[in-house]
Amino acid sequence: EDQVTQSPEALRLQEGESSSLNCSYTVSGLRGLFWYRQDPGKGPEFLFTLYSAGEEKEKERLKATLTKKESFLHITAPKPEDSATYLCAVQAALSGTYKYIFGTGTRLKVLA
Amino acid sequence: GAGVSQSPSNKVTEKGKDVELRCDPISGHTALYWYRQSLGQGLEFLIYFQGNSAPDKSGLPSDRFSAERTGGSVSTLTIQRTQQEDSAVYLCASSLAGGPQYFGPGTRLLVL
Repeated sequence: EDQVTQSPEALRLQEGESSSLNCSYTVSGLRGLFWYRQDPGKGPEFLFTLYSAGEEKEKERLKATLTKKESFLHITAPKPEDSATYLCAVQAALSGTYKYIFGTGTRLKVLA
Repeated sequence: GAGVSQSPSNKVTEKGKDVELRCDPISGHTALYWYRQSLGQGLEFLIYFQGNSAPDKSGLPSDRFSAERTGGSVSTLTIQRTQQEDSAVYLCASSLAGGPQYFGPGTRLLVL
């Protein structure tokens, strides 16, 4: 069964304390993996797409990496404004269309 | 450019009434998705439209839920005979075929 699991469910960091969020997946025919940020009361905001193992993407304090079984979102020297829920989703090709499976997210709180 | 828009932003209704939620996708995006998100929970897939293909309705929770997409653009999600358990945020997203999904701000539905 196709599945996406994110860990930890929640994470509290002090400002400047670097850490990583994990997204592990089992899916047939992975085509891509996406990371999103969701602020309270808003829709998810697209951050990154990763297509192949070994690929890395960076944006400000965030860096996403991908292996054949998992992805990491590394947060370097986080600031309070990085507090949000981070979601990952995997995309698989399915009979001429695409299937997306979302994880349940990691709630990140960065303390000043 | 303009992102995904949804209306209304908030909807309060009485149990048993019908509601219609609207989604305007990003111009040119061929795929459109509806999700439901209960407070503090992950995204629950509802329905997916891709071009002129038959929609994937596998996530609709009951026959009270239906959706249509007119002219390959605007979509309406209809919930008939609303129940209190339908209260949630309804999110719409659009994408190019196989690309990342871009989400709207959501419609917050409260059924009294």
